[in-house]
Amino acid sequence: EAQVTQNPRYLITVTGKKLTVTCSQNMNHEYMSWYRQDPGLGLRQIYYSMNVEVTDKGDVPEGYKVSRKEKRNFPLILESPSPNQTSLYFCASSLGTLPELGKETQYFGPGTRLLVL
Amino acid sequence: TQLLEQSPQFLSIQEGENLTVYCNSSSVFSSLQWYRQEPGEGPVLLVTVVTGGEVKKLKRLTFQFGDARKDSSLHITAAQPGDTGLYLCAGERYGGATNKLIFGTGTLLAVQP
Repeated sequence: EAQVTQNPRYLITVTGKKLTVTCSQNMNHEYMSWYRQDPGLGLRQIYYSMNVEVTDKGDVPEGYKVSRKEKRNFPLILESPSPNQTSLYFCASSLGTLPELGKETQYFGPGTRLLVL
Repeated sequence: TQLLEQSPQFLSIQEGENLTVYCNSSSVFSSLQWYRQEPGEGPVLLVTVVTGGEVKKLKRLTFQFGDARKDSSLHITAAQPGDTGLYLCAGERYGGATNKLIFGTGTLLAVQP
């Protein structure tokens, strides 16, 4: 089954304790992305990756890091989490980013709900 | 700055009623997508509109892209409880090396049986 998986689904942590949220896709997609979703603000892009070893900042990258060592995996790293990073996080993947037939479809993971105390 | 505003933010209607959700911006987008998100899940793509003035139908859902490609609407005919969820529009715009997807603020729809 084609899917995007995220782990963990729920996480409670304390300020300053490094954490990693994993994301994996089994569709051989080139493009992967991380979003955070907050009430009233919609989904905002944190980082994205166009292919292995190619990553770039989205709209709200501060306090986050990513890596893309393999095509299928795109982990999100919070080196020193703070309470304002409490949010619902989504990983997404797609074949490409241009509006060509079928390529623009983004597949989202189930989300990771993070609480930073 | 939020580039895509959706209205209404919340909508509670009875089964069988019609409704329209609006997605507005002052920016031009190369394409616009509509997603539906159910509790505990990620957004799922419903449709992509690319051409100004384009209308697409998906069963009881009708999507329209504005002539100037700055706005879009989603109309649901004879809403059913299964339509309940968060509806998100997302505009694609050129961002240098790659296109970027800008999400709207969302419309939470509840259809009462």
